[in-house]
Amino acid sequence: EVQLVESGGGLVQPGGSLRLSCAASGFTFSSYWMSWVRQAPGKGLEWVANIKQDGSEKYYVDSVKGRFTISRDNAKNSLYLQMNSLRAEDTAVYYCARERLCDYWGQGTLVTVSS
Amino acid sequence: DVVMTQSPLSLPVTLGQPASISCRSSQSLVYSDGNTYLNWFQQRPGQSPRRLIYKVSNRDSGVPDRFSGSGSGTDFTLKISRVEAEDVGVYYCMQGTHWPPTFGGGTKVEIK
Repeated sequence: EVQLVESGGGLVQPGGSLRLSCAASGFTFSSYWMSWVRQAPGKGLEWVANIKQDGSEKYYVDSVKGRFTISRDNAKNSLYLQMNSLRAEDTAVYYCARERLCDYWGQGTLVTVSS
Repeated sequence: DVVMTQSPLSLPVTLGQPASISCRSSQSLVYSDGNTYLNWFQQRPGQSPRRLIYKVSNRDSGVPDRFSGSGSGTDFTLKISRVEAEDVGVYYCMQGTHWPPTFGGGTKVEIK
């Protein structure tokens, strides 16, 4: 069974940093692109970033470029999102999802940016 | 970015009756490989999104056959043949043809 479990969310002040993790199991992690998608409270879905199987290609939505970094550790079956210079508008539930077309999703982790 | 426009925003449906959601894209979603990367997702209250349909009309594993997807180019539809109570939630279309991937604003399905 495919499982994706996010962690690392929490309350952070504007300008602060946070690192999200996603632990994958139930499939060959190193064979799949992985994605991060976020959902602001009461709002719709927004794709954030994705990363190729070997980490050689990474793509970001314009609003997070230069502030967020997606990475992965295939030996640990883990996906990460390093978030720096956080803004209030980054407040959202962050989901990791398998593949560029998001066939499986985790339960999400809430990031709140507020003073 | 490709804009995905869903309608209606809200869809009250009687149990056992059909429902239809429209999704229109601002550009054709046909990719250079000939595929059309248009997906549909269901998000039940308090849950994570779940993919229902990929590449316009292919149902994901475990998805009931009362869900079907159709369309081409810029115009797509998700149909539920007979709505059940468990179908309540928000439905999103998403395009993966053009970078960045973009989602529609969502359609809330509720029982009358």
